Amino acid sequence: AQSVSQHNHHVILSEAASLELGCNYSYGGTVNLFWYVQYPGQHLQLLLKYFSGDPLVKGIKGFEAEFIKSKFSFNLRKPSVQWSDTAEYFCAVNARDSNSGYALNFGKGTSLLVTP
Amino acid sequence: DAGVIQSPRHEVTEMGQEVTLRCKPISGHDYLFWYRQTMMRGLELLIYFNNNVPIDDSGMPEDRFSAKMPNASFSTLKIQPSEPRDSAVYFCASSLRPRGNYGYTFGSGTRLTVV
Repeated sequence: AQSVSQHNHHVILSEAASLELGCNYSYGGTVNLFWYVQYPGQHLQLLLKYFSGDPLVKGIKGFEAEFIKSKFSFNLRKPSVQWSDTAEYFCAVNARDSNSGYALNFGKGTSLLVTP
Repeated sequence: DAGVIQSPRHEVTEMGQEVTLRCKPISGHDYLFWYRQTMMRGLELLIYFNNNVPIDDSGMPEDRFSAKMPNASFSTLKIQPSEPRDSAVYFCASSLRPRGNYGYTFGSGTRLTVV
């Protein structure tokens, strides 16, 4: 079974600071990778996803993530955060081989607070 | 498309009562997932369906929980009897061929409080 680790549980940044949230997964096969965002009181929304090709993936709202296969990592980055980025961020993995399930496995999430 | 629709948005019930949560997936999506979100455990998969058939229910906590999908446009998650530890936000998600280049769309969730 796959597992997903998000290293930072709580992050506090000032506006305009750069952001990097760590995500590592444990699975030896081919994976699909996702980052979701959950704004306070809302449902999960897809930020970006990686299936194949260029390991640097660009998503919505200026977010990007880099898939490093050798490190089993898929870290989320944003060069300059805004107050409106305050939210919970979830990394998720889905295995692509035929013996694994179709569901997403989520990390525990990272709570980001951006201060003015 | 209206997206994944869940009802009710909020449910407060007394311990021992039956609770039914509802989900309408996006039309044409052939996979439906039920997740539970708590502070302690994060997002946990409870069960998922493919073409209305339950595929993996290993995440269902115990026999008090049951889920059905009588047709492609409707699913229910039932808790009977409910307990305070069932308090959580329950999300439904749907997807078209999840292993392909498609995403998973989540509903707005049902916040369940059992007192």
